[in-house]
Amino acid sequence: DIQMTQSPSVLSASVGDRVTLNCKASQNINKYLNWYQQKLGEAPKLLIYNTNNLQTGIPSRFSGSGSGTDYTLTISSLQPEDVATYFCFQHNSWPLTFGSGTKLEIK
Amino acid sequence: EVQLVESGGGLVQPGRSLKLSCVASGFTFSNYGMNWIRQAPGKGLEWVAYISSGSSYIYYAETVKGRFTISRDNAKNTLYLQMTSLRSEDTALYYCARSSWEGYFDYWGQGVMVTVSS
Repeated sequence: DIQMTQSPSVLSASVGDRVTLNCKASQNINKYLNWYQQKLGEAPKLLIYNTNNLQTGIPSRFSGSGSGTDYTLTISSLQPEDVATYFCFQHNSWPLTFGSGTKLEIK
Repeated sequence: EVQLVESGGGLVQPGRSLKLSCVASGFTFSNYGMNWIRQAPGKGLEWVAYISSGSSYIYYAETVKGRFTISRDNAKNTLYLQMTSLRSEDTALYYCARSSWEGYFDYWGQGVMVTVSS
């Protein structure tokens, strides 16, 4: 199974900051990497698919990059509504696996 | 508008069974693979099972293989998860989610809670 490791587990930043969340796969996942945002009490929402494609309706301050085993989600200017837990997810091979999440907080 | 509405959750004793349903609307259900994903209280996400559009391909997480069965009725636009031999560690919020053409989950339901406890 492919293990997905996210770092940091908790990130505290100020409004307007540029923030970067990391996700590392235990083997090459060929850019089949997606990012989900989950706000408290809500279902996860797709932000980025296949490494760097912004889902329809998602603000352009979100972007993704990476290749091989290492991937990042960047928020160019943190907004209060971005408080959430962010999960990476690989669909390169079965079983499909999620990272354990990064909880993003506002300072 | 794509909608996925889960039902069938509740409190069940260890070792018993439960069947979840997910009714889909707003898209051609029979054209898409579907999934169950769960989230234990305060924990992360765990993919549970996948079924292809025509039920030809089915995959399970090792943690549920042999106990859970995913199925679908395309005439009723409904996805199912039959859960047997339930354990306390199966306690979670269960989401159904649609697979995009490329395999990631593009739409999720709001989830249904399953609690396994005596």
